[in-house]
Order: sequence, then C-alpha cells, then structure tokens
Amino acid sequence: GENVEQHPSTLSVQEGDSAVIKCTYSDSASNYFPWYKQELGKGPQLIIDIRSNVGEKKDQRIAVTLNKTAKHFSLHITETQPEDSAVYFCAAITLGRGNNRLAFGKGNQVVVIP
Amino acid sequence: NAGVTQTPKFQVLKTGQSMTLQCAQDMNHEYMSWYRQDPGMGLRLIHYSVGAGITDQGEVPNGYNVSRSTTEDFPLRLLSAAPSQTSVYFCASSPGQTTNEKLFFGSGTQLSVL
Repeated sequence: GENVEQHPSTLSVQEGDSAVIKCTYSDSASNYFPWYKQELGKGPQLIIDIRSNVGEKKDQRIAVTLNKTAKHFSLHITETQPEDSAVYFCAAITLGRGNNRLAFGKGNQVVVIP
Repeated sequence: NAGVTQTPKFQVLKTGQSMTLQCAQDMNHEYMSWYRQDPGMGLRLIHYSVGAGITDQGEVPNGYNVSRSTTEDFPLRLLSAAPSQTSVYFCASSPGQTTNEKLFFGSGTQLSVL
C-alpha cells in the first residue's frame, strides 16, 4: 500500500517568515494529495488539496507544489502568523482505485515564534 | 450546520468493558469513516461507510464494529476494550460517496483503557 513520509517532524519559524513542509509518497498511482491542519484539542481540518494533473495550487498564504517524477509534494506557508502554529498532516490516495484508504503522514509540528 | 459531532469527548474504560462512540453529521454526506490517532502514528482508518447499510473495513478494524442505519449516524463499538485501544478517535465525513476527498472531521474522543 501507499506509504507517506513527512519531513521535518518539527519546524520552528519566526513570525513573518515562510514555512515549508515536504512529504514523499511511494505509490506512483497516487493522484490526490490533501493537507490537513490540526490545532490542539481539535480535529484535522482540510486547508488545501491538489490533484496530480496540476503542479501547484495557491490559496492566499498557503500553496502546495507537486513533483510527480520525484514523488513528493510540499506545503508552503508565507508570512507566517501565530495562528499557523499547529500540526500539519499530508496524505495521498489513488482516487478511483476503490480501496478508500487515504494514507496519512505522521504529522509536522509547526511552531511560529512571535 | 453543526458539521460532524462526536460524543463523548473523553472516556475511561476498564479492560473488557464495552462502549459505543457516537458520530453524527448534518451535511447529508454519504461517506463516513472512523480514524484512530496515536502519537507518532498519524491517522489510521478503522472502518468506513459509503452509505446507509454499507460498511467496510479499513486499515486497523480488529476489535471494532460499526453499523450505518441512517445517513446521519455512524457509531463505533468496542465490544471488549483493551489497553491497545487507548487512543484519540476521529469520525469524518465526505461529500464524495466513494472517495476520501475533502474530509470533515469531528473534534475527537479521547479514550483511555486501563
């Protein structure tokens, strides 16, 4: 099955700087890659997702880039703010294959220092 | 809309006890699922359902039962709790029927089995 790895496990950034989290996946058939943000004591919340037919997607201060050849995708947060402090999970799945198993990474703790 | 509602938020069980974790959504989503979250393990799929009357196993189904009698509700049952089931449990739903796209998560149930 699909295996997703995230790096680094913890990332500290100064407020206003950019944060980048990278995920690698193993199954070249994977075609859908979401990112979830989990704040303390809450459930994960979808913040951005990308399909394999595009290389980049942006939503305000958040962007995701995908490199299918290298089988990795990254989350970019610009102009970080204290409310960006959270755990971020990436995931991968092959839509249409029917196994309904979204493989999650183990999460990155992002700490934004005011 | 309340979204995905989970009850209880916290629960302590003794080994061998049974209990049901409740999950309800008011978004008319066909797809619902249960995940467990353990430190350093990310999110792992326990069971899922693509509609009323239809359920299937995920990655870690042993020790858990589910049923889906209505579109709104998807309870998770622990028949005989074990310490290995100590975890945080999340219920999630999706507007897609057969995919894991755009999951909406509940706020979680923290379960401790002594």
